[in-house]
Amino acid sequence: DAKTTQPNSMESNEEEPVHLPCNHSTISGTDYIHWYRQLPSQGPEYVIHGLTSNVNNRMASLAIAEDRKSSTLILHRATLRDAAVYYCILRDGGAGSYQLTFGKGTKLSVIP
Amino acid sequence: KAGVTQTPRYLIKTRGQQVTLSCSPISGHRSVSWYQQTPGQGLQFLFEYFSETQRNKGNFPGRFSGRQFSNSRSEMNVSTLELGDSALYLCASKEQGSSYEQYFGPGTRLTVT
Repeated sequence: DAKTTQPNSMESNEEEPVHLPCNHSTISGTDYIHWYRQLPSQGPEYVIHGLTSNVNNRMASLAIAEDRKSSTLILHRATLRDAAVYYCILRDGGAGSYQLTFGKGTKLSVIP
Repeated sequence: KAGVTQTPRYLIKTRGQQVTLSCSPISGHRSVSWYQQTPGQGLQFLFEYFSETQRNKGNFPGRFSGRQFSNSRSEMNVSTLELGDSALYLCASKEQGSSYEQYFGPGTRLTVT
Protein backbone atom coordinates (compact mmCIF):
# COMPACT_ATOMS: atom_id res chain seq x y z
CA ASP A 1 0.00 0.00 0.00
CA ALA A 2 1.16 3.51 -0.75
CA LYS A 3 2.05 5.42 2.41
CA THR A 4 1.27 8.90 3.64
CA THR A 5 3.35 11.19 5.86
CA GLN A 6 1.77 13.80 8.11
CA PRO A 7 3.09 16.00 10.92
CA ASN A 8 2.33 14.55 14.33
CA SER A 9 0.65 17.68 15.60
CA MET A 10 -0.36 21.21 14.67
CA GLU A 11 -1.88 24.17 16.45
CA SER A 12 -4.23 26.79 15.18
CA ASN A 13 -5.96 29.81 16.61
CA GLU A 14 -9.71 29.80 16.60
CA GLU A 15 -11.29 31.36 13.48
CA GLU A 16 -7.99 31.21 11.61
CA PRO A 17 -7.49 29.05 8.50
CA VAL A 18 -5.65 25.77 8.95
CA HIS A 19 -3.58 23.99 6.33
CA LEU A 20 -2.90 20.35 7.11
CA PRO A 21 -0.24 18.85 4.82
CA CYS A 22 0.13 15.28 3.64
CA ASN A 23 2.91 13.74 1.57
CA HIS A 24 2.26 10.67 -0.55
CA SER A 25 5.17 10.40 -2.93
CA THR A 26 4.43 6.77 -3.91
CA ILE A 27 0.83 7.42 -4.90
CA SER A 28 -0.39 5.43 -7.90
CA GLY A 29 -2.67 6.58 -10.67
CA THR A 30 -5.72 4.84 -9.23
CA ASP A 31 -5.28 6.03 -5.64
CA TYR A 32 -7.87 8.38 -4.24
CA ILE A 33 -6.84 10.76 -1.46
CA HIS A 34 -9.22 10.62 1.49
CA TRP A 35 -9.30 12.67 4.67
CA TYR A 36 -11.01 11.53 7.81
CA ARG A 37 -10.95 13.03 11.26
CA GLN A 38 -11.52 11.54 14.67
CA LEU A 39 -12.86 13.65 17.48
CA PRO A 40 -12.13 12.55 21.04
CA SER A 41 -14.11 9.47 22.07
CA GLN A 42 -15.75 9.10 18.66
CA GLY A 43 -15.28 7.00 15.55
CA PRO A 44 -13.62 8.56 12.50
CA GLU A 45 -15.66 10.92 10.37
CA TYR A 46 -15.34 11.43 6.62
CA VAL A 47 -14.12 14.90 5.68
CA ILE A 48 -13.35 14.98 1.96
CA HIS A 49 -11.73 13.05 -0.86
CA GLY A 50 -10.28 13.69 -4.30
CA LEU A 51 -8.37 12.15 -7.18
CA THR A 52 -6.68 14.86 -9.24
CA SER A 53 -8.61 18.11 -8.99
CA ASN A 54 -9.06 20.36 -5.99
CA VAL A 55 -12.30 19.70 -4.12
CA ASN A 56 -14.54 21.75 -1.87
CA ASN A 57 -17.37 20.76 0.42
CA ARG A 58 -19.14 22.26 3.40
CA MET A 59 -16.48 21.05 5.80
CA ALA A 60 -13.21 21.75 4.04
CA SER A 61 -11.21 22.11 0.85
CA LEU A 62 -8.68 19.67 -0.55
CA ALA A 63 -5.81 21.02 -2.59
CA ILE A 64 -3.92 18.36 -4.59
CA ALA A 65 -0.49 19.04 -6.04
CA GLU A 66 -0.17 18.76 -9.80
CA ASP A 67 2.10 15.71 -9.51
CA ARG A 68 -0.26 14.28 -6.83
CA LYS A 69 2.66 13.58 -4.49
CA SER A 70 1.22 15.83 -1.82
CA SER A 71 -2.07 17.34 -0.76
CA THR A 72 -3.35 19.85 1.76
CA LEU A 73 -6.56 19.82 3.74
CA ILE A 74 -7.78 23.35 4.33
CA LEU A 75 -10.15 24.29 7.13
CA HIS A 76 -11.19 27.81 6.31
CA ARG A 77 -12.03 28.93 9.84
CA ALA A 78 -11.00 26.64 12.65
CA THR A 79 -13.43 26.24 15.52
CA LEU A 80 -12.96 24.47 18.82
CA ARG A 81 -15.04 21.61 17.44
CA ASP A 82 -12.39 21.02 14.76
CA ALA A 83 -9.89 19.83 17.37
CA ALA A 84 -9.31 16.23 16.32
CA VAL A 85 -6.85 13.81 14.77
CA TYR A 86 -6.86 14.22 10.99
CA TYR A 87 -5.95 11.25 8.82
CA CYS A 88 -4.78 11.45 5.23
CA ILE A 89 -5.43 8.09 3.54
CA LEU A 90 -4.84 6.67 0.09
CA ARG A 91 -7.48 4.32 -1.20
CA ASP A 92 -6.94 2.17 -4.25
CA GLY A 93 -9.80 3.03 -6.55
CA GLY A 94 -8.98 0.04 -8.71
CA ALA A 95 -9.56 -2.45 -5.94
CA GLY A 96 -12.89 -4.25 -5.74
CA SER A 97 -13.20 -3.85 -2.02
CA TYR A 98 -12.92 -0.82 0.15
CA GLN A 99 -10.13 -0.73 2.69
CA LEU A 100 -8.76 2.30 4.47
CA THR A 101 -5.18 2.17 5.73
CA PHE A 102 -4.85 4.75 8.48
CA GLY A 103 -1.51 6.28 9.47
CA LYS A 104 -0.79 8.12 12.70
CA GLY A 105 -2.54 11.27 11.58
CA THR A 106 -2.09 14.88 12.68
CA LYS A 107 -3.48 15.96 16.02
CA LEU A 108 -4.92 19.42 15.56
CA SER A 109 -5.28 21.64 18.61
CA VAL A 110 -7.39 24.78 18.33
CA ILE A 111 -6.55 27.62 20.69
CA PRO A 112 -9.41 29.90 21.77
CA LYS B 1 -31.36 7.83 8.94
CA ALA B 2 -29.96 6.34 12.08
CA GLY B 3 -26.19 6.04 12.20
CA VAL B 4 -24.06 2.95 12.61
CA THR B 5 -24.74 1.32 15.94
CA GLN B 6 -22.43 -1.00 17.84
CA THR B 7 -23.18 -3.15 20.84
CA PRO B 8 -22.06 -3.41 23.49
CA ARG B 9 -20.24 -0.11 23.95
CA TYR B 10 -17.99 -1.44 26.70
CA LEU B 11 -16.89 -4.95 27.54
CA ILE B 12 -14.51 -6.53 30.01
CA LYS B 13 -13.33 -10.07 29.38
CA THR B 14 -10.74 -12.39 30.84
CA ARG B 15 -7.77 -13.76 28.93
CA GLY B 16 -8.69 -17.00 27.17
CA GLN B 17 -12.37 -16.17 26.79
CA GLN B 18 -14.07 -15.36 23.53
CA VAL B 19 -16.15 -12.32 22.62
CA THR B 20 -18.71 -11.37 20.00
CA LEU B 21 -19.31 -7.77 18.96
CA SER B 22 -22.26 -6.58 16.93
CA CYS B 23 -22.67 -3.86 14.32
CA SER B 24 -25.80 -2.57 12.65
CA PRO B 25 -25.02 -0.53 9.54
CA ILE B 26 -26.93 2.44 8.25
CA SER B 27 -30.13 1.31 6.54
CA GLY B 28 -29.40 0.46 2.91
CA HIS B 29 -25.66 0.04 3.41
CA ARG B 30 -24.48 -3.40 2.37
CA SER B 31 -20.76 -3.05 3.03
CA VAL B 32 -19.51 -3.39 6.60
CA SER B 33 -15.87 -3.07 7.64
CA TRP B 34 -14.23 -3.66 10.99
CA TYR B 35 -11.19 -1.86 12.40
CA GLN B 36 -9.14 -2.22 15.55
CA GLN B 37 -7.73 0.89 17.22
CA THR B 38 -4.98 0.74 19.85
CA PRO B 39 -2.66 3.47 21.14
CA GLY B 40 0.40 1.65 19.80
CA GLN B 41 -0.79 0.49 16.37
CA GLY B 42 -3.44 3.07 15.59
CA LEU B 43 -6.37 2.14 13.37
CA GLN B 44 -5.95 -1.18 11.59
CA PHE B 45 -8.28 -2.81 9.10
CA LEU B 46 -9.64 -6.19 10.13
CA PHE B 47 -12.04 -7.23 7.37
CA GLU B 48 -14.85 -6.13 5.10
CA TYR B 49 -18.11 -7.89 4.38
CA PHE B 50 -20.46 -7.31 1.50
CA SER B 51 -23.60 -9.32 0.80
CA GLU B 52 -22.71 -11.86 3.50
CA THR B 53 -19.29 -12.53 1.96
CA GLN B 54 -15.92 -11.51 3.26
CA ARG B 55 -14.45 -9.37 0.53
CA ASN B 56 -11.14 -8.33 2.06
CA LYS B 57 -9.11 -9.20 5.11
CA GLY B 58 -6.38 -7.43 7.02
CA ASN B 59 -3.31 -8.92 8.61
CA PHE B 60 -4.79 -10.39 11.78
CA PRO B 61 -4.59 -13.94 13.16
CA GLY B 62 -7.36 -16.44 12.60
CA ARG B 63 -8.68 -15.82 16.12
CA PHE B 64 -10.41 -12.82 14.60
CA SER B 65 -13.40 -13.73 12.48
CA GLY B 66 -16.59 -12.17 11.34
CA ARG B 67 -19.79 -12.71 9.50
CA GLN B 68 -22.59 -10.75 7.94
CA PHE B 69 -26.28 -11.56 7.93
CA SER B 70 -28.83 -11.11 5.18
CA ASN B 71 -30.00 -7.84 6.74
CA SER B 72 -26.38 -6.55 6.52
CA ARG B 73 -25.85 -6.63 10.26
CA SER B 74 -22.42 -7.92 11.10
CA GLU B 75 -20.70 -9.60 14.00
CA MET B 76 -17.06 -10.07 14.75
CA ASN B 77 -15.71 -12.73 17.05
CA VAL B 78 -12.39 -12.96 18.83
CA SER B 79 -11.53 -16.32 20.35
CA THR B 80 -8.94 -17.10 22.99
CA LEU B 81 -8.56 -13.49 24.03
CA GLU B 82 -5.12 -12.09 24.75
CA LEU B 83 -4.20 -8.98 26.73
CA GLY B 84 -3.12 -7.34 23.48
CA ASP B 85 -6.64 -7.59 22.10
CA SER B 86 -7.69 -4.76 24.40
CA ALA B 87 -8.72 -2.07 21.98
CA LEU B 88 -11.50 0.02 20.52
CA TYR B 89 -13.24 -1.98 17.80
CA LEU B 90 -14.86 0.17 15.17
CA CYS B 91 -17.41 -0.80 12.58
CA ALA B 92 -18.02 1.22 9.43
CA SER B 93 -20.62 0.93 6.70
CA LYS B 94 -20.93 2.34 3.22
CA GLU B 95 -23.22 2.20 0.27
CA GLN B 96 -22.21 0.10 -2.66
CA GLY B 97 -21.48 1.88 -5.88
CA SER B 98 -20.17 5.38 -6.26
CA SER B 99 -20.28 6.46 -2.62
CA TYR B 100 -16.82 6.90 -1.15
CA GLU B 101 -17.82 7.80 2.34
CA GLN B 102 -17.44 5.26 5.07
CA TYR B 103 -19.58 5.92 8.14
CA PHE B 104 -18.13 4.80 11.44
CA GLY B 105 -19.92 3.75 14.58
CA PRO B 106 -18.88 4.84 18.08
CA GLY B 107 -16.98 1.62 18.68
CA THR B 108 -16.88 -1.08 21.32
CA ARG B 109 -14.21 -0.66 23.98
CA LEU B 110 -12.91 -4.13 24.85
CA THR B 111 -10.71 -4.61 27.88
CA VAL B 112 -9.04 -7.98 28.41
CA THR B 113 -7.76 -8.67 31.93
